[in-house]
Amino acid sequence: DVKVTQSSRYLVKRTGEKVFLECVQDMDHENMFWYRQDPGLGLRLIYFSYDVKMKEKGDIPEGYSVSREKKERFSLILESASTNQTSMYLCASSTGVWEKLFFGSGTQLSVL
Amino acid sequence: AQTVTQSQPEMSVQEAETVTLSCTYDTSESDYYLFWYKQPPSRQMILVIRQEAYKQQNATENRFSVNFQKAAKSFSLKISDSQLGDAAMYFCAYCCGGSNYKLTFGKGTLLTVNP
Repeated sequence: DVKVTQSSRYLVKRTGEKVFLECVQDMDHENMFWYRQDPGLGLRLIYFSYDVKMKEKGDIPEGYSVSREKKERFSLILESASTNQTSMYLCASSTGVWEKLFFGSGTQLSVL
Repeated sequence: AQTVTQSQPEMSVQEAETVTLSCTYDTSESDYYLFWYKQPPSRQMILVIRQEAYKQQNATENRFSVNFQKAAKSFSLKISDSQLGDAAMYFCAYCCGGSNYKLTFGKGTLLTVNP
């Protein structure tokens, strides 16, 4: 079975901390994505990557950065966590943005 | 920018009955892709159905089918013979017209299935 694995299911951090959310896929997909999911707002794209070391800003990149040093791993970084970044974070991968996305199980991040 | 609207925040259906979830989108492109994703309480988002805009025929996957009305920019999901396992949040999504390569999601419809 294909798999997208997010390193943590639940995470609690303090305001101002640097936070790393890790995502690994085992499908050799070129494209990887980070979404943020909030009640009543649906999923919003933070960043995506279409190749190693390549990245594109999504709709809400402010306060976030990403790293993709290897094809299978796509990391989301919160440089200085703030309470308004408390949310569910979903990672996904695909062979193309118009193709089926495979999602991880999500990381529920709470910033106190 | 493309927008996707799901006008029903919540819906409910009796087990074994049929339910239709609505989705409209805004685009000036002629070629694009539309999706319905399901997110059960486990949070694992999975693809339910995918439609290519240039195809006239409505996509179907077992009990799931769509009513794709290109001129009206409408893409509704019909679930037949509803089962308890269909209870989930359903998201409509649009992708990839013209130079836009971002997948845009609607806000979701929470479907409850009553036994």
